[in-house]
Amino acid sequence: QQQVKQSPQSLIVQKGGISIINCAYENTAFDYFPWYQQFPGKGPALLIAIRPDVSEKKEGRFTISFNKSAKQFSLHIMDSQPGDSATYFCAASRSNAGGTSYGKLTFGQGTILTVHP
Amino acid sequence: DTEVTQTPKHLVMGMTNKKSLKCEQHMGHRAMYWYKQKAKKPPELMFVYSYEKLSINESVPSRFSPECPNSSLLNLHLHALQPEDSALYLCASSQVAGVVGNEQFFGPGTRLTVL
Repeated sequence: QQQVKQSPQSLIVQKGGISIINCAYENTAFDYFPWYQQFPGKGPALLIAIRPDVSEKKEGRFTISFNKSAKQFSLHIMDSQPGDSATYFCAASRSNAGGTSYGKLTFGQGTILTVHP
Repeated sequence: DTEVTQTPKHLVMGMTNKKSLKCEQHMGHRAMYWYKQKAKKPPELMFVYSYEKLSINESVPSRFSPECPNSSLLNLHLHALQPEDSALYLCASSQVAGVVGNEQFFGPGTRLTVL
């Protein structure tokens, strides 16, 4: 019940295209859903995050869509650029309000995005 | 300063060695985390410190020993490691642990190789 399932494992898009990565979760106690971007040899960096009381959040070219009833959320990267080529992880966590999770992040398996020029 | 620093960047050690990884943040965060990341896999939580107290130990073998000397520093002491412990070790911090929406800031990691 703690799993977060992420798809696809890898994704190749052309410059200017839309990249879409999907995640699904089981634990309805999760109340925070961040996306992390990781470049080779670097630590993950927060890209964008959403809480379940919001159905969509947009920051620049990056949009999270959230479907609470389906327990799914997705990342859309508009006008994808070669510099977006990285590994993307969705994650979920729950606050201490429902227990003592201490902000533990449960990560999806990751998606390797390659944007061709 | 929104940076988490980790030293060393790379570490090669034998199975009988004792070494330590160091993590530092100056953002005033009171929660610090150790993660282990194998190639092409997501980070796996190892330990969480909240207000300098160990709050979560994800059943990590005792050959890994964390220490939080103060609110800015986090160490991971390594002893008698196995080759399968070779991985990228990531440190992260957040303002507090368990408050919804608290971003975890990750350091660049220490690439550990156990021979």
